[in-house]
Parts: sequence; C-alpha cells; structure tokens
Amino acid sequence: NAGVTQTPKFRVLKTGQSMTLLCAQDMNHEYMYWYRQDPGMGLRLIHYSVGEGTTAKGEVPDGYNVSRLKKQNFLLGLESAAPSQTSVYFCASTEIRANTGELFFGEGSRLTVL
Amino acid sequence: AQSVTQLGSHVSVSEGALVLLRCNYSSSVPPYLFWYVQYPNQGLQLLLKYTSAATLVKGINGFEAEFKKSETSFHLTKPSAHMSDAAEYFCAVSDSGGGADGLTFGKGTHLIIQP
Repeated sequence: NAGVTQTPKFRVLKTGQSMTLLCAQDMNHEYMYWYRQDPGMGLRLIHYSVGEGTTAKGEVPDGYNVSRLKKQNFLLGLESAAPSQTSVYFCASTEIRANTGELFFGEGSRLTVL
Repeated sequence: AQSVTQLGSHVSVSEGALVLLRCNYSSSVPPYLFWYVQYPNQGLQLLLKYTSAATLVKGINGFEAEFKKSETSFHLTKPSAHMSDAAEYFCAVSDSGGGADGLTFGKGTHLIIQP
C-alpha cells in the first residue's frame, strides 16, 4: 500500500538553486495538494489541482510552480530557492474535494535552503 | 474567509486523564470541520470530521468532537489518555458552500502524555 509517496524526503539547497519535489499517488484520486508546514504556523496551502492538466493557487503560492501532467503525479518546483522556503512540504490527495473528503498525506519532504 | 484558532500550542495530561483540545472557528458560511493527527516524522491522518450531520462526531482511537454553533467551537476529547496519543493535533475548516478548495488548518496543539 504505497498511498502518497514524496521524493526526495530530504534536500539541502543553496540560495538561488532550483529543484522539483515529486508527489505520486496510486489511489486514482482527482484532487492533489501541496502544503508547507512551519513551526507555529500549521499547514498552509501552496497550490492544488482538481484534475489532470489543472492547477490553482492556494494561500502562499509565490516562489513556487506546479504541474499535473499525469493524474497520479503532482510536481512542485522552486525556480530560485530562498531561505524563507526552508520548510517541510506535504503532498496530499483526495477522491473528492478536500472541503468534504479525507485528505491522504505523504510523509513529507524536508527542505533546507542555505 | 474561514479560520480556526487552537487554544494552547502545548497540552500536557497524565496517562488515563481526560484529553481536551480546543478549537474555535470563524466562517461566513456553514463550515465543515476536521481534526487531523500527526505522529512524529509522519504525514497527517484524519481523526474525524463534521459535515453537518450529527453534532457529536466519533473518530478513530477513541476520540470524539462536538460541534457547537452557538460557541463556534469544535473541541476534541478523549476520556482516557494513552501514551500512544502523544502527537500534534490540527483542527481544520473548509467552506461547505463550494468555495475555493482546500482546508484551512490551525497552528496545531502538541499533546504530551505524562506517565
């Protein structure tokens, strides 16, 4: 039972470098989300997708881009990393809208930007 | 726009004691409300949810929560704490009226269980 898988789990970047986080789900879910978790801030929505080929901005989208070329994958990109993007990133998916359904989370990707 | 406030970033209880984690919400439309739990180095998992059916909602691991519209609250309780309940707990709210997707999470409450 893979569920939601995030790669990589850990990454250290230098300011200005770029990287992509990959989220893969094997539950055939339509909806996928990227959140960031910071101490004392809870989880904040970065971007989300309501189906293959669609993306939408969440609460904190600046500095990030996303793509959903395949239904099972949701990619989060940082074009030019900044120290403020040091965080733990969580991907989640759900069969119906997160507003009413159960979100299934990956185990997180810990990113440090020096 | 909706929001949730979790009172207390850390709550400590003795094993076997009552667990009470507080959550108050703000929403301009009837809300849907959720409690998620996060164990160390893991993602979040759903404990329970309220979606306008019964106001007392029972979840996994013996937890329950009661929706009180008059108090705009959705507090999480468990009659008897177990060591395995030590985790971070998040209250979340969403718009039941079909607005923007995604949940709005509170800042979390770290539950500590004393032996």
